[in-house]
Amino acid sequence: DAMVIQNPRYQVTQFGKPVTLSCSQTLNHNVMYWYQQKSSQAPKLLFHYYDKDFNNEADTPDNFQSRRPNTSFCFLDIRSPGLGDTAMYLCATSRDGQGGGYTFGSGTRLTVV
Amino acid sequence: QKEVEQDPGPLSVPEGAIVSLNCTYSNSAFQYFMWYRQYSRKGPELLMYTYSSGNKEDGRFTAQVDKSSKYISLFIRDSQPSDSATYLCASLGAGSYQLTFGKGTKLSVIP
Repeated sequence: DAMVIQNPRYQVTQFGKPVTLSCSQTLNHNVMYWYQQKSSQAPKLLFHYYDKDFNNEADTPDNFQSRRPNTSFCFLDIRSPGLGDTAMYLCATSRDGQGGGYTFGSGTRLTVV
Repeated sequence: QKEVEQDPGPLSVPEGAIVSLNCTYSNSAFQYFMWYRQYSRKGPELLMYTYSSGNKEDGRFTAQVDKSSKYISLFIRDSQPSDSATYLCASLGAGSYQLTFGKGTKLSVIP
């Protein structure tokens, strides 16, 4: 089945130690997103790629970076994680930003200790 | 005022009941309306999607959008314990990329 796959499912990292989360998709969608979801809160958009064009949300901390080497893969890099970055990180895809196929992966649960 | 308002519940119903989940929104530019189901520690799963006003039915689920009153609804018929999850309504404007979510309603279906 076509889908959005995130790895790893769970990640524990030390305060200040860089960490990379990965996302791959078989939907051939041209838009890929990274959302952060803290406990009992709605997901919050960090940034998105429209094809190769990177679009950062104004309030996304500089600590968060992203790479999209090709259509299928996207990475989230957290350069110096703080305790407040403990959250679920969700990758999503869509075709041209349309709502009908806006699909999320299962998420990576990141714990910073 | 948050752009999408949703009662967080929790909502508890007996198995077999009809469940009604609702959201209101304030942004007239919203064109796409989605309902996601999210189980604990999992990503949101797209349940229903509606473009503009109207109804859509898929099995036990019916989504309704009334743009005149800015009201979004999801009905679940013959609810099952496996429907126990958090339900998130979300809206998207034409040409926009960021989903605007409600807070989510936590639903428990009791056997």
